[in-house]
Amino acid sequence: DIQMTQSPSSLSASVGDRVTITCQASQGISRYLHWYQQKPGKAPKLLIFDASNLETGVPSRFSGSGSGTDFTFTISSLQPDDIATYYCQQYDNLPLTFGGGTKVEIK
Amino acid sequence: QVQLQESGPGLVKPSQTLSLTCTVSGGSISSVSYYWTWIRQPAGEGLEWIGRIYTSGSTDYNPSLKSRVTISLDTSQNQISLKLNSVTSADTAVYYCARSLVPYDRFDFWGQGTLVTVSS
Repeated sequence: DIQMTQSPSSLSASVGDRVTITCQASQGISRYLHWYQQKPGKAPKLLIFDASNLETGVPSRFSGSGSGTDFTFTISSLQPDDIATYYCQQYDNLPLTFGGGTKVEIK
Repeated sequence: QVQLQESGPGLVKPSQTLSLTCTVSGGSISSVSYYWTWIRQPAGEGLEWIGRIYTSGSTDYNPSLKSRVTISLDTSQNQISLKLNSVTSADTAVYYCARSLVPYDRFDFWGQGTLVTVSS
């Protein structure tokens, strides 16, 4: 299985701050990576697909980059509505696997 | 707009079989464009892919669960089912069904999830 390692596991930032989350794959996965947002008690929501493509309707403050083994997810200006846990997911190989999640809180 | 709704018993006894159904509305599970997937999430933990099924009936399962899992389609009811046998407390989780686009495996629509507790 491809292991996906996210860091940090949690972070606290102020409204308006730039927030960056990293996801590292245990082997190269090209750009076969997606990012999701999960709010408490809700299903995950797709934000970014194929490493850097913004899903329709998702605010432009969210972005992603990377390829191979190292990926980055960025919120350019943190908003109160962004409080959630964020997950990366690879689809280079089965089984599909997710990172452990990054919980984002407001300072 | 596609909607997915999971249903099934919220409590299952150890060693028994967990059975869930996902009812899809606003779209057909017979579409050649999508996989239909089950994912689970223990409380306070991350997401685990259980497996998926294609309209042809072909399936892929997580090797960690493969010996215990069956996913099937009922096209007449537009439903996907999940069966997990010989359950233990480690199978207690919120179970989600989701749609993913072939071959990109990105989950664009999800059910709201259903909590299944394994306990005697």
